[in-house]
Amino acid sequence: EVQLVQSGAEVKKPGESLKISCKGSGYSFTNYWIGWVRQMPGKGLEWMGVIYPDDSRTTYSPSFQGQVTFSADKSVSTAYLQWSTLKSSDTAMYYCAISEKEAAGRGDLWGQGTLVTVSS
Amino acid sequence: DIVMTQSPDSLAVSLGERATINCKSSQSVLYSSNNKNYLAWYQQKPGQPPKLLIYWASTRESGVPDRFSGSGSGTDFTLTISSLQAEDVAVYYCQQYYSTPKDFGPGTRVDIK
Repeated sequence: EVQLVQSGAEVKKPGESLKISCKGSGYSFTNYWIGWVRQMPGKGLEWMGVIYPDDSRTTYSPSFQGQVTFSADKSVSTAYLQWSTLKSSDTAMYYCAISEKEAAGRGDLWGQGTLVTVSS
Repeated sequence: DIVMTQSPDSLAVSLGERATINCKSSQSVLYSSNNKNYLAWYQQKPGQPPKLLIYWASTRESGVPDRFSGSGSGTDFTLTISSLQAEDVAVYYCQQYYSTPKDFGPGTRVDIK
């Protein structure tokens, strides 16, 4: 069974750093794009960007470029989303999703989401 | 950037009746080299991640009931639920995956009348 399992909820303070994860199983991890999507409380879906785990190519939405960093570790079939300096406006649910090579950025299968709360 | 819009913002339909959601992109998402529209539809129920329903504008994802169908090309697209069921209450999003940023529409909430 193809699955994406994301790390658990996080509560952080403004200014702190954070790295959340998305572990793939049941498919060839290096042959599918992994994308990240933000959903702020009560709001719609925002596309953040994608990473191709085979060679760690990344594409960021201009809205998120420089604000977050994507990475992937093929040895453990896990992708990561990282912040160096969190802000309260980063409070949101974050989803990872995979897509086939021809359709980078589409969400073919989604993780369960990681809720990030940033509050002083 | 390609801007995605959806209409209506919300709709309420009686059980068994048809629901129609429209999605418009500010630029064509039809890739001429393969004649594919880079347009997907998702369903999101409360407390759940989105679920892919339709891709390439009209291809139904495996396991999705055939009451869901997608149509359109270029800049104008439609998601149709032919006979609304109680379990279809959700927010529906379109997304273009033609060019970065691969943004979603604002969503359409579907309820039972």
